[in-house]
Amino acid sequence: DADVTQTPRNRITKTGKRIMLECSQTKGHDRMYWYRQDPGLGLRLIYYSFDVKDINKGEISDGYSVSRQAQAKFSLSLESAIPNQTALYFCATSDPIDASGANVLTFGAGSRLTVL
Amino acid sequence: QKEVEQNSGPLSVPEGAIASLNCTYSDRGSQSFFWYRQYSGKSPELIMFIYSNGDKEDGRFTAQLNKASQYVSLLIRDSQPSDSATYLCAVNHGNQFYFGTGTSLTVIP
Repeated sequence: DADVTQTPRNRITKTGKRIMLECSQTKGHDRMYWYRQDPGLGLRLIYYSFDVKDINKGEISDGYSVSRQAQAKFSLSLESAIPNQTALYFCATSDPIDASGANVLTFGAGSRLTVL
Repeated sequence: QKEVEQNSGPLSVPEGAIASLNCTYSDRGSQSFFWYRQYSGKSPELIMFIYSNGDKEDGRFTAQLNKASQYVSLLIRDSQPSDSATYLCAVNHGNQFYFGTGTSLTVIP
């Protein structure tokens, strides 16, 4: 089983619908992130969470909300989807990789969302 | 100015050659630097990270960091067709990671 699991992997929806993308991890990491990826724009941070009670906005949080239900679960919601939210969404976790304290991101397989 | 800048390419090299990928970053306080490989439609996977000035080698890959010049590079020796992918440079600053837009590499058999 994957360390970071995202569901659904693919979703097509219509403008105005509420969508939830779910992420669960078995790595035991405290830190979790949601990114979106668009061609030519790279990976952009939507929200991040360092523990269950800690939620932070990223670079592009407008139109999105998140819920950290447990250490292992971090969900991303689009309350009213719009076409420019069509993108590839990645959940990631991070933890210090070695004694240096450097944190390394581990990504889920991605959720491709299309909003018509 | 973007936090992290990469030449988008595409970069083409013949099989067996050295591929050189470059990245510059804007914040001198950046602490750790990463190279990820991403195949089309797949998730990024970590190749290497570096946090001290100089070179770090792992198999066919060498990461180079020059903090004075705010420059990170990745060298891929003996390039293989399977190395054809987009390479993402990422920088850790504070609690966040900042990504470049990636360089597309094609290794020609």
